[in-house]
Amino acid sequence: DQQVKQNSPSLSVQEGRISILNCDYTNSMFDYFLWYKKYPAEGPTFLISISSIKDKNEDGRFTVFLNKSAKHLSLHIVPSQPGDSAVYFCAAKIPNTGNQFYFGTGTSLTVIP
Amino acid sequence: DAGVTQSPTHLIKTRGQHVTLRCSPISGHKSVSWYQQVLGQGPQFIFQYYEKEERGRGNFPDRFSARQFPNYSSELNVNALLLGDSALYLCASSLLSLGTEAFFGQGTRLTVV
Repeated sequence: DQQVKQNSPSLSVQEGRISILNCDYTNSMFDYFLWYKKYPAEGPTFLISISSIKDKNEDGRFTVFLNKSAKHLSLHIVPSQPGDSAVYFCAAKIPNTGNQFYFGTGTSLTVIP
Repeated sequence: DAGVTQSPTHLIKTRGQHVTLRCSPISGHKSVSWYQQVLGQGPQFIFQYYEKEERGRGNFPDRFSARQFPNYSSELNVNALLLGDSALYLCASSLLSLGTEAFFGQGTRLTVV
């Protein structure tokens, strides 16, 4: 069963506007969440993370919001740039399970110049 | 510094054959994890090794096995290949066993015909 879900397979945004990528999860034991970006023919690259004790984490143009009661997190990219065009994966982990991450199916973001 | 390196980058095998995939972690990283990414899906956890010991195993059949060497590099072995094993196999390394961030290699694209 898919415990981390990204229901939007694709998203197109104009350059300079905000990109919002969404992720839902079902397992209440998840305590750490990450976003990875993946370009074709490359491995996923870590982007930003958030612990379940926080509801927001910011890093430059990237902000992740966590709503534990709704089991929902989102990644905001402001302003969006053409180089942000990639597949974005949401991932989650359970405490004390090492690097066993549960990934969503990904959202393909296209930023239109 | 070199990132996570995987070899080979591409591989074609016949059903029923055996395959060995290799991974060298980032220098100083002692944990290696393996993931399988089928087309259109997110990466799925297969194994984690830390200090040459298995620390976690995902829901994969016994045809899948792995090991970690004293220099922390790792091999993933798959026996009796099935068409459904065709996927991108990703290796990730982290400094600690309970690391909150994993760095991925570019992957090995395995095609089973």
